[in-house]
Amino acid sequence: GEDVEQSLFLSVREGDSSVINCTYTDSSSTYLYWYKQEPGAGLQLLTYIFSNMDMKQDQRLTVLLNKKDKHLSLRIADTQTGDSAIYFCAENNGNNRLAFGKGNQVVVIP
Amino acid sequence: EAGVAQSPRYKIIEKRQSVAFWCNPISGHATLYWYQQILGQGPKLLIQFQNNGVVDDSQLPKDRFSAERLKGVDSTLKIQPAKLEDSAVYLCASSQSSGRTGELFFGEGSRLTVL
Repeated sequence: GEDVEQSLFLSVREGDSSVINCTYTDSSSTYLYWYKQEPGAGLQLLTYIFSNMDMKQDQRLTVLLNKKDKHLSLRIADTQTGDSAIYFCAENNGNNRLAFGKGNQVVVIP
Repeated sequence: EAGVAQSPRYKIIEKRQSVAFWCNPISGHATLYWYQQILGQGPKLLIQFQNNGVVDDSQLPKDRFSAERLKGVDSTLKIQPAKLEDSAVYLCASSQSSGRTGELFFGEGSRLTVL
């Protein structure tokens, strides 16, 4: 299956941490991704994790992967107003065919 | 480096009319994708090209949608005739064929409204 599930909305105060969650169904996915979409713009790759990893840290971003539960999360530390966007998780179903979740809108309150 | 270029940015048509969207990928990117993003949903893959060949068009509604990438560079996506449910943003993306990580570079999209 290629269903990727995400919750819809998160508001967070500037400087706090925000956590976005995602579940996926295709256990054969080699890579899992987090993309960011700002208003009126295309999607931009934020970070990715290889399926044999449990965690990846990239500056303010921490990705956690629980393969047993097919659960992916993205933690943004010290959230800034520029982090306000829609965040999509995606899985690679082979040949770089990405299946995206519905997205999670993050609103950062100053 | 120039990004993925798409045009037009906005298009409003009536149902049963036709529309075409154009995409120019990043120079040197062999793989080109068209995604449909309906409001409130994630992007859904319509078609994937590798150079001028189709890799995957399983989710393309072929009775009304067509796409081509004749010279393996830019691409056109056509809808004829359009239906109300085709209202969406059509995103073009490209990637390097040798990219193991599957990083896609997206254009800003073409927003279609069907009345």
